[in-house]
Amino acid sequence: EVQVVESGGGLVQPGRSLRLSCSASGFIFGDFAMTWLRQAPGRGLEWVGWIRSKSYGATAEYVASVKGRFIISRDDSKNIAYLQMNSLQTEDTAVYYCARGRTKVDYWGQGTLVTVSS
Amino acid sequence: QSALTQAPSASGSPGQSVTISCTGTSSDVGGYNYVSWYQQYPGKAPKLVISEVNKRPSGVPDRFSGSKSGNTASLTVSGLQPEDEADYYCSSFAGSNNLIFGGGTKLTVL
Repeated sequence: EVQVVESGGGLVQPGRSLRLSCSASGFIFGDFAMTWLRQAPGRGLEWVGWIRSKSYGATAEYVASVKGRFIISRDDSKNIAYLQMNSLQTEDTAVYYCARGRTKVDYWGQGTLVTVSS
Repeated sequence: QSALTQAPSASGSPGQSVTISCTGTSSDVGGYNYVSWYQQYPGKAPKLVISEVNKRPSGVPDRFSGSKSGNTASLTVSGLQPEDEADYYCSSFAGSNNLIFGGGTKLTVL
């Protein structure tokens, strides 16, 4: 059974950093791109970025609003993807989801809440 | 990249069919067969119900179907059930560095 589980959310002050983890199981992690998405309270879904599989260089892409502040990485030996969030802003407050895939984003985790507030 | 356009709400009675549309451009919906639809209940994670325009993942009832014409994709829910009441989001691959979503449609089963 495919499972994706996010962790690391919490309350953080503006300008600080936070790292989210995405632990996956039930599939060959290294064969898949992994995607991060978010949903601000009462709002719709937003793509944050993705990281390709190592076969495609493990390169990452980001939505313009987080480019230069967020970094996605992966550790295929541990089946974990990471979202390093720096210089957090109040508008980054959202439930952050990790999901498998890129052109077909199929299995999602339950999400982890990140609240940016002083 | 602008968001895809969805009507904010849709409704239907049990047993009826409802179609939700998702309009984009030739750079996203019209340019790729990578349109997906997600069902989301309040406080829950989205669930994939249609991928690649019209493919139903295992376990999704065949009441759910997808299609695309030009720059507009559609999700049809036939034989509406009370449990179909949820928010529905479309998404489209939009090139190597982009995935975009619609604003979501709240489906009410009357």
